[in-house]
Amino acid sequence: SQQGEEDPQALSIQEGENATMNCSYKTSINNLQWYRQNSGRGLVHLILIRSNEREKHSGRLRVTLDTSKKSSSLLITASRAADTASYFCATDAGNMLTFGGGTRLMVKP
Amino acid sequence: DTGVSQDPRHKITKRGQNVTFRCDPISEHNRLYWYRQTLGQGPEFLTYFQNEAQLEKSRLLSDRFSAERPKGSFSTLEIQRTEQGDSAMYLCASSLRNEDEAFFGQGTRLTVV
Repeated sequence: SQQGEEDPQALSIQEGENATMNCSYKTSINNLQWYRQNSGRGLVHLILIRSNEREKHSGRLRVTLDTSKKSSSLLITASRAADTASYFCATDAGNMLTFGGGTRLMVKP
Repeated sequence: DTGVSQDPRHKITKRGQNVTFRCDPISEHNRLYWYRQTLGQGPEFLTYFQNEAQLEKSRLLSDRFSAERPKGSFSTLEIQRTEQGDSAMYLCASSLRNEDEAFFGQGTRLTVV
C-alpha cells in the first residue's frame, strides 16, 4: 500500500515559474524524502527532511514538513525545462521507504 | 562510478522462464532495498536487507520471488516461472544506515512475453 499521496497528480507550468507539489501521509514517520524520476530511469534523491525539522533548502528546492498535518511540500523555484520529470515523496517509518504515486511535472520552454 | 549499480538494465524473457537480477550497492552501505515499479505508479516495496539478513518481505513477494545478499555486499533477486504480470521496473536502493538517504540504481526493466 502507498502511504504517501502526492497532489497534484500532474502539473504543467512555464519555464521560470515556481512549481509546488504536496505530499500527505498517514502514520508517524522518522523522515520524508523527495525523489525525481525521468521517464524510464531510476530515482534521483533530492532531499531528506527529518521529523524534527520544519523546512529545508537545497539550491532551487525548498521542502517543508508539517508533522501535525502529516504533510510535506516541495517547491521548485525558477523552473527549467530540465525539471520536467515525475516527483515522488517517500516516508520512512523506521524500516523501509513507502512511496506515493508521484506528481508528473512538465515545464514548457 | 560509486552509485548503486544494477545488471542487466533490460531483460526480455518468455513466460515460464526464470530470471535473476543483480544489485551492487554503494560501498559500505548496510541497507539494501528492492522495489518494483509499474508504469505510472510509484515504487512498491519488495524486501530489504540489513547486511546479509533479510529483515522484511512484502506480501507482493510471492513464493516465486527470492532475494539474497550472501556476504552483505551485492544482492540478487530471482523470479521463477515468470508471468506477464511480473513485467515491471525492478529497482534497487541502498543506504548507509537506517533512516539515512536511500540511493537508487537505474533499475532493471523486465518484459515477460
